[in-house]
Amino acid sequence: GESVGLHLPTLSVQEGDNSIINCAYSNSASDYFIWYKQESGKGPQFIIDIRSNMDKRQGQRVTVLLNKTVKHLSLQIAATQPGDSAVYFCAEEGGSYIPTFGRGTSLIVHP
Amino acid sequence: GAGVSQSPSNKVTEKGKDVELRCDPISGHTALYWYRQSLGQGLEFLIYFQGNSAPDKSGLPSDRFSAERTGGSVSTLTIQRTQQEDSAVYLCASSLGRAGRTEAFFGQGTRLTVV
Repeated sequence: GESVGLHLPTLSVQEGDNSIINCAYSNSASDYFIWYKQESGKGPQFIIDIRSNMDKRQGQRVTVLLNKTVKHLSLQIAATQPGDSAVYFCAEEGGSYIPTFGRGTSLIVHP
Repeated sequence: GAGVSQSPSNKVTEKGKDVELRCDPISGHTALYWYRQSLGQGLEFLIYFQGNSAPDKSGLPSDRFSAERTGGSVSTLTIQRTQQEDSAVYLCASSLGRAGRTEAFFGQGTRLTVV
């Protein structure tokens, strides 16, 4: 879930485990959802997207699940690697075509 | 270049001075966004340009902030009379825009420090 202040929600996993990062979005009219990965000192990098007419989409080692009923989005990373350590943001987009970002989750992968 | 380019990468300025931040989007991208990211925070939307349409300025925090996009390409974000609370990373992104739902590509950001 979301937290207030400067502390991001943090997920710590062991290398090789599967990771699941969750996101609650706010606008029921949003029809496009994106996951971004942001490494320290860099801009956000696209991982995977999904449109509202789908409930699951798979990429390489990543899967995004969308539950419109409860306005919930999740990112699953298979066989997590140390290079996956970063902050992950979900973003929602509706008729304004402006991505609105969540607070982010910090993923820490221990070797 | 192949990606979104922002300059400068770092900027230290004195309180009260004006600053200009530059963004070169990906060629052919009609949509351009500016966001602000404070330490440990998410991305705060500032302004959105789409083609020749009037920009969506709804995220600008005060009238000290303004942005232009010349010729549908390069954009400049200007902050006048900078304050310490303006210190943040300013991120620019571009996308294909309303041609279809596609992801935004981000630059590396400009880290602004107001002292």
